[in-house]
Amino acid sequence: NAGVTQTPKFRVLKTGQSMTLLCAQDMNHEYMYWYRQDPGMGLRLIHYSVGEGTTAKGEVPDGYNVSRLKKQNFLLGLESAAPSQTSVYFCASRPGGEETQYFGPGTRLLVL
Amino acid sequence: RKEVEQDPGPFNVPEGATVAFNCTYSNSASQSFFWYRQDCRKEPKLLMSVYSSGNEDGRFTAQLNRASQYISLLIRDSKLSDSATYLCVVNNAGNMLTFGGGTRLMVKP
Repeated sequence: NAGVTQTPKFRVLKTGQSMTLLCAQDMNHEYMYWYRQDPGMGLRLIHYSVGEGTTAKGEVPDGYNVSRLKKQNFLLGLESAAPSQTSVYFCASRPGGEETQYFGPGTRLLVL
Repeated sequence: RKEVEQDPGPFNVPEGATVAFNCTYSNSASQSFFWYRQDCRKEPKLLMSVYSSGNEDGRFTAQLNRASQYISLLIRDSKLSDSATYLCVVNNAGNMLTFGGGTRLMVKP
């Protein structure tokens, strides 16, 4: 099992550009999450999904969109990147009935 | 006020020392509690769950005080490999975890 993987590992964007971050898990987990981590702020939930075809907003959803067309994939989109979106983005997944979340290695995004 | 608060540290301790971290949470309806460990530039990983009666896993002991709404983590006989950031995590309801900002531990030879 590869577990949770994230693509890309690192990206530099210019303000106003768009991009999509891909999260994939091969553990057949129902739940998937996108977080951002900023210095001193801890991880903050952006969006999450409780199953294929469903998404919901987390604590800081503005400026982001998500899609879960396939159970194993959870995509995070930035339509028009802003410097405030410079952060480390972590994806996580978990099976139903279990609280432990399993994290991907992270994507470092720099918006200039 | 943050939902989950931790002293960011860093805590600098010598090898073999005992060190304790505390964490407070604001939601009295919080249901479950965890400590995650995060190494530098890596993803968080579950260290241990925290149970009401307190629980131990080797050199690590976690305790929960619901009345005072705080959680603690005690590390005995610190190793160099314990150097990391320790994240206090609370599950308030359903599908979402709330993370503290983390406490950084540095164990020195």
